[in-house]
Amino acid sequence: GDSVTQMEGPVTLSEEAFLTINCTYTATGYPSLFWYVQYPGEGLQLLLKATKADDKGSNKGFEATYRKETTSFHLEKGSVQVSDSAVYFCALASSGGSYIPTFGRGTSLIVHP
Amino acid sequence: AAGVIQSPRHLIKEKRETATLKCYPIPRHDTVYWYQQGPGQDPQFLISFYEKMQSDKGSIPDRFSAQQFSDYHSELNMSSLELGDSALYFCASSIGTPSYNEQFFGPGTRLTVL
Repeated sequence: GDSVTQMEGPVTLSEEAFLTINCTYTATGYPSLFWYVQYPGEGLQLLLKATKADDKGSNKGFEATYRKETTSFHLEKGSVQVSDSAVYFCALASSGGSYIPTFGRGTSLIVHP
Repeated sequence: AAGVIQSPRHLIKEKRETATLKCYPIPRHDTVYWYQQGPGQDPQFLISFYEKMQSDKGSIPDRFSAQQFSDYHSELNMSSLELGDSALYFCASSIGTPSYNEQFFGPGTRLTVL
C-alpha cells in the first residue's frame, strides 16, 4: 500500500538557517504529493502540493520538488523564521487509496531566535 | 473566510462512556473526512462521507459510527471508550470526491479518556 517516510525530528535551527526536511514515498501509479503544517493547537494546513513529476510546489518561501526517479518530495526553505516552528507532515494521495491522503509521521521544527 | 468548525474543542470522558463529536464543513463543501491523531502520531483516516453517504472507510473501530446529515454536518459517535481512544480528532471538508480536491482541516477535538 501507499506509505510516506519522513525524517524524524525534532529539527532545531537558528533563525535564518537553511531548512531541509526529507520525505520519500511508496505508491502505485502517480500520486499527488503534499506538505501540511500544523501549528500548536491548530489543525493541519496545506502548505504546498505537486501533482506530477518534476512539478515544484511553493508557498511562503517553502519549496518541494516532485522527484519520481528518487520517489522523494523534500521540503526546503532558504531562511527559516521563529514563526515557522511547527510540525510538518508529508502526504500523498493516489487513486489506489481513493485519494484519501496518507500522512508521514510528521517532523517537528523548532526555530530559535 | 469560513473554516471547518468542530465541537467541542476539548472533551474529557471516563472509560466505557460515550462521546459525540461534531463537524461543520465549509459552506458548499459536500465531503467530510474524519481523522484520529494519537500523541506524536500521524493522522489516521477513519471514515468519509460524500453527499450524506459513506464514501470511504479507514481504520475506524466498530465501536465508532458516523453519519453526515442533510445540512452536511457530520457527527462521530464513539461508544465504550477506551484509554487508547485519547487523541486529537480532526474533521476535514472538501468539494466533491473521488478525485483529489484540497481538504480543509478543522482545529480538532481533543478527547481525553480517563
